[in-house]
Amino acid sequence: SQQGEEDPQALSIQEGENATMNCSYKTSINNLQWYRQNSGRGLVHLILIRSNEREKHSGRLRVTLDTSKKSSSLLITASRAADTASYFCATDAGNKLTFGGGTRVLVKP
Amino acid sequence: DAGITQSPRHKVTETGTPVTLRCHQTENHRYMYWYRQDPGHGLRLIHYSYGVKDTDKGEVSDGYSVSRSKTEDFLLTLESATSSQTSVYFCAIRDRGRITEAFFGQGTRLTVV
Repeated sequence: SQQGEEDPQALSIQEGENATMNCSYKTSINNLQWYRQNSGRGLVHLILIRSNEREKHSGRLRVTLDTSKKSSSLLITASRAADTASYFCATDAGNKLTFGGGTRVLVKP
Repeated sequence: DAGITQSPRHKVTETGTPVTLRCHQTENHRYMYWYRQDPGHGLRLIHYSYGVKDTDKGEVSDGYSVSRSKTEDFLLTLESATSSQTSVYFCAIRDRGRITEAFFGQGTRLTVV
């Protein structure tokens, strides 16, 4: 089974609304990363949060990490149609970088 | 964009034939990874490398082998392709250090008929 699991699997929102997705994982990590994938393309790194951090911001992105619950969340504020993509969390435990199943986000104009 | 190239980009092959996918980087990064992406499964790690000739298995390594004889190249081989190996394969690279992001190639779409 995979280390990270995203929830929900799919999300549909209106432009301007916020999008929140969650990631749960199973083992200890060094850091947790979020990536975006546009249809048919490779993944692109969005943000990284270290295991000793609880919250991090980057532009319209806000990531939280709760190591006691082994969970993370990604919030995209004021979403745009261009945010339509799949979003993946990845857990970094030493040499391995392990991804979850992803959340498909559709932002309707 | 990070210098990472996958080849071929598309391939159709017959069941039972050997197939090799190539990942080439120009970044001199230490870590290289092979993933497969299938609907409903996200990205699953096949094999990864943490240096020349240093490789290890991921979560779905059965039926796959890898080799890394040079820093810049990481080869994924399907010794005898099966229909269950039809997938999109992604290569990723990552620099040394504990806090680093990965850069992905554009993917290889492999169809086994």
